[in-house]
Amino acid sequence: EVQLLQSGGGLVQPGGSLKLSCAASGFTFSGSSMHWVRQASGKGLEWVARIRTKPNNFATTYGASVKGRFSISRDDSRNTVYLQMDSLKAEDTAVYYCATEGWLRAFDHWGQGAQVTVSS
Amino acid sequence: EIVLTQSPGTLSLSPGERATISCRASQSVSSSYLAWYHQKRGQAPRLLVYGPSNRATGIPDRFSGSGSGTDFTLTISRLEPEDFAVYYCQHYDGSSWTFGQGTKVEIK
Repeated sequence: EVQLLQSGGGLVQPGGSLKLSCAASGFTFSGSSMHWVRQASGKGLEWVARIRTKPNNFATTYGASVKGRFSISRDDSRNTVYLQMDSLKAEDTAVYYCATEGWLRAFDHWGQGAQVTVSS
Repeated sequence: EIVLTQSPGTLSLSPGERATISCRASQSVSSSYLAWYHQKRGQAPRLLVYGPSNRATGIPDRFSGSGSGTDFTLTISRLEPEDFAVYYCQHYDGSSWTFGQGTKVEIK
């Protein structure tokens, strides 16, 4: 069974940093591209970032609203994907989900979500 | 940037009825990269249909997707109590992913 277990959410002040983790099991993690998606309270889904696999040079892509401030990375030895969030703003407040990329670029498995609150 | 517009915003139906949700793209897109998800309150989204007519693992056949170009549709043939949720379409344009704003399917 595929499991994505997230950790690392919390409260941070504007301008601060936070790092989210997503530990995977039940599938070949090293063979899967991984994503982060966020959802502000009462709002829709917003794609945040993707990291590809080693054969694809761990290439990364970011959504426009987080580019230059967030960094996605992975440790295949730990089956874990990370999201480093710097220069956080109030508008980054959201539940953050990690997800696996499956057939035809759809997101076929999701973590349970982690709340990130940016407030003074 | 491609914008996905879903309609209606809210759909009020009874169990057993048919639900039809539309997703319109701001320009013609590849149907191969169109997917649908639903999200129940307090839960993570779940993949329903992708590509745009392939059901994800474990998804019952009352869910079906169709469409091409700019117009895509998710149909639920007969609503079950567990189908009342928010539904999102999603597209990959070759470099980034975009979601529609969501359609809430509520019990009438």
